[in-house]
Amino acid sequence: AQSVTQLGSHVSVSEGALVLLRCNYSSSVPPYLFWYVQYPNQGLQLLLKYTSAATLVKGINGFEAEFKKSETSFHLTKPSAHMSDAAEYFCAVSPRGGSNYKLTFGKGTLLTVNP
Amino acid sequence: NAGVTQTPKFRILKIGQSMTLQCTQDMNHNYMYWYRQDPGMGLKLIYYSVGAGITDKGEVPNGYNVSRSTTEDFPLRLELAAPSQTSVYFCASSYLEGSSEAFFGQGTRLTVV
Repeated sequence: AQSVTQLGSHVSVSEGALVLLRCNYSSSVPPYLFWYVQYPNQGLQLLLKYTSAATLVKGINGFEAEFKKSETSFHLTKPSAHMSDAAEYFCAVSPRGGSNYKLTFGKGTLLTVNP
Repeated sequence: NAGVTQTPKFRILKIGQSMTLQCTQDMNHNYMYWYRQDPGMGLKLIYYSVGAGITDKGEVPNGYNVSRSTTEDFPLRLELAAPSQTSVYFCASSYLEGSSEAFFGQGTRLTVV
């Protein structure tokens, strides 16, 4: 069974600082990997996803993530935080192959950006 | 293009009451999901459907029922509301392919008192 772990339920950074949100997955075969963002009182929207091409994936709003098979990780980064990045971020996995496409989510990381 | 639409946005139920959360999508997606979101717990899958007439249980199906009579609609039914069902519910849809993006509705905030 697949699972995903997000290290740190709350991350606080200063505006302009590096953002690093951690995600590790557990799966016998490297899954599809996603990062979603949720702004207050809204649904989730896709930031970026890893399918099978380049291991460094660029997403919206300046975010990127790197797939590292040896570390079973898919950490999300942004070089310089902006106040508008304050939100909750979810890492998710979907199995590769077969007919089961269920998305499994991590518990989320709340990002606070301080002025 | 409305995407995924959920109604209602907010609801307060008394213990033992029933209600249906509505979800409709206009993207002709095969796959539809219902999740519940509780603070600090991420999203838990309640039920999902791979197409009209086909539904299956997710991680936390107890106390809920679903149906999928059309591609567009995927309602979630609570028969006997309990305080443990107080949560925010999200409907989502995607194409039937594992790497596809899931599109989410705005959520329904349900309180059972």
